[in-house]
Order: sequence, then C-alpha cells, then structure tokens
Amino acid sequence: RKEVEQDPGPFNVPEGATVAFNCTYSNSASQSFFWYRQDCRKEPKLLMSVYSSGNEDGRFTAQLNKASQYVSLLIRDSQPSDSATYLCVVPLYGGSQGNLIFGKGTKLSVKP
Amino acid sequence: EAQVTQNPRYLITVTGKKLTVTCSQNMNHEYMSWYRQDPGLGLRQIYYSMNVEVTDKGDVPEGYKVSRKEKRNFPLILESPSPNQTSLYFCASSLSLLPYNEQFFGPGTRLTVL
Repeated sequence: RKEVEQDPGPFNVPEGATVAFNCTYSNSASQSFFWYRQDCRKEPKLLMSVYSSGNEDGRFTAQLNKASQYVSLLIRDSQPSDSATYLCVVPLYGGSQGNLIFGKGTKLSVKP
Repeated sequence: EAQVTQNPRYLITVTGKKLTVTCSQNMNHEYMSWYRQDPGLGLRQIYYSMNVEVTDKGDVPEGYKVSRKEKRNFPLILESPSPNQTSLYFCASSLSLLPYNEQFFGPGTRLTVL
C-alpha cells in the first residue's frame, strides 16, 4: 500500500457545488495531516492542518478518521477560484522525523 | 517580506556539468527541505535539514548533495546532472518540524538537463 494516496481526479464541478477529496495513509503512527493547495506551475501553499478529529475554516472542512486511516477535505459552495490541485501531506514520525510524504494531488476544476 | 528565494528560476544545462541551485529564507527557520515535482509522481522529498550542519536523505537523494552551513541557506548541488534530473524543484522551510509548522515554499526552479 502506498504511503499517501489520493484520487487524482480531475473533479469537474459547477460553481456552488460541494466537493470532497479523500486521502488515505499507511503509517498508523501519523499524528498530523495537512492539505496544501497548488496552482498550476506555482509553489504549494498551506490550506489547512489537521491534528485531531478535524478542522474547519470557512467553506473548508478537514476531517480525520484514524481508525480507517484517511483524512478528507470538504469544500462547500465551491468557487472558480478554488480550481487548483490539492495535496495531502503526511509527516512520518519515528526514525526519520524530517520525512514528509506528499500525495500526488487531486485536481479540482470549478466551472462558473 | 518573509520569503523563500531560489535561484536560478530556470536553467537549461548539459549532462555532466555541475550546477548549484541556491535556496535562502529570511524567517530564521530551522527546517529546510528540497523537493522535486514530476508529472504523475507528485512532490518527492530529496533532502532535508533539521538545523545547521544537520541534513538527512529524503525519498530520492541519489544524484544530489546538500549542505547547511548557515541557517538561512540550503543549496542543492548536482555534481553530474543527468537527463532524468530534469524536473521542477522546490525549496521549502518551516519554523521547526515538531510540532509541525507550515512549510513555506520557494517559487520553484525549472531545470532541464540535455
């Protein structure tokens, strides 16, 4: 099983739709999770951190299910400006504490 | 302005010609890291540094070297570049890794090795 897996998409949704992405991870010891947003050919930028069961910031909600080892990102009332690739990031704690594993990303396109 | 800078932004070179991509941050961050991004493979970590003089391998360190002599700088060295190192490279930094803090990425360096 790959360490961090995401559905690559693309997710093509109309403006105003609610869309959810899942990210599964293999290291059961992982304690924190992150969603980054990356626009085409630009650097990734942090969208949201998840340390316990979940986190909410405006239209964005991240939820963690440790039993099933997945973290999700929900976007409500999606806007064309939300069009981007969303990266799931899982730090690997343990022997090499500096290792960060990025998912390959889920591409979202919101049409007006 | 708090930022991570990389130079050069674009580079075309030939096989075997040593090159260095510089990375500098002005936020007094302890942790710095290099990634490469390739279509279909996502972002993969090359090397990281938890502090000055402390570096460690990421997932794809082969063919790369790094050094961390100063807190603000973390250059990536390709001693003998090969075409399979053609990629988009990002440098990133964060205040510290544990507990995890936001990583700030540089604008990227697009490298082509002919």
